[in-house]
Amino acid sequence: QKEVEQNSGPLSVPEGAIASLNCTYSDRGSQSFFWYRQYSGKSPELIMSIYSNGDKEDGRFTAQLNKASQYVSLLIRDSQPSDSATYLCAEGLGYGGSQGNLIFGKGTKLSVKP
Amino acid sequence: EAQVTQNPRYLITVTGKKLTVTCSQNMNHEYMSWYRQDPGLGLRQIYYSMNVEVTDKGDVPEGYKVSRKEKRNFPLILESPSPNQTSLYFCASSFRTGYEQYFGPGTRLTVT
Repeated sequence: QKEVEQNSGPLSVPEGAIASLNCTYSDRGSQSFFWYRQYSGKSPELIMSIYSNGDKEDGRFTAQLNKASQYVSLLIRDSQPSDSATYLCAEGLGYGGSQGNLIFGKGTKLSVKP
Repeated sequence: EAQVTQNPRYLITVTGKKLTVTCSQNMNHEYMSWYRQDPGLGLRQIYYSMNVEVTDKGDVPEGYKVSRKEKRNFPLILESPSPNQTSLYFCASSFRTGYEQYFGPGTRLTVT
């Protein structure tokens, strides 16, 4: 059973701090990884995609991928109250065919306190 | 504007009354999918389509039907809704399987 595991939280950080969100996955064949942000009652919004080992930075967000450890993380620098949301990690198992469906974790709830 | 649209956004209905939730995307994406989201259970895939006329079951297909007659549209059909189908439903699309998916705004369905 292919799985993506996330700590459900809540993860509480003070405004201006770095929030660190983590995700582990079970399938070594996974090739693509995504982080989504979801506000309560709203749809998931893509914030980062990462395909290669290492770090990928986009503004205040940095995604880190370690395929050997089957681990992907998201760092949010200078956290703002508007970052308070649930963050979903997803893995793509390949390109093409049914194995290419994304597998989503259940999400980590982040709370940024002013 | 590139987007996925769903209609209706909110729907309250009664057990057994057939309904259709529409989904449309204007990004020429091959792949489309339906999910339901319930508290504590995360996103669960109902059905997906890798291209026109190609659909397949996801993890929770019972009680649902889909069709993909055109590339841009992927309606979700509930032939005889039951209260356990009360949920928040999302349609999503992507360039191809395995790539990032873009979600519609969601449809909140209540079946009484």
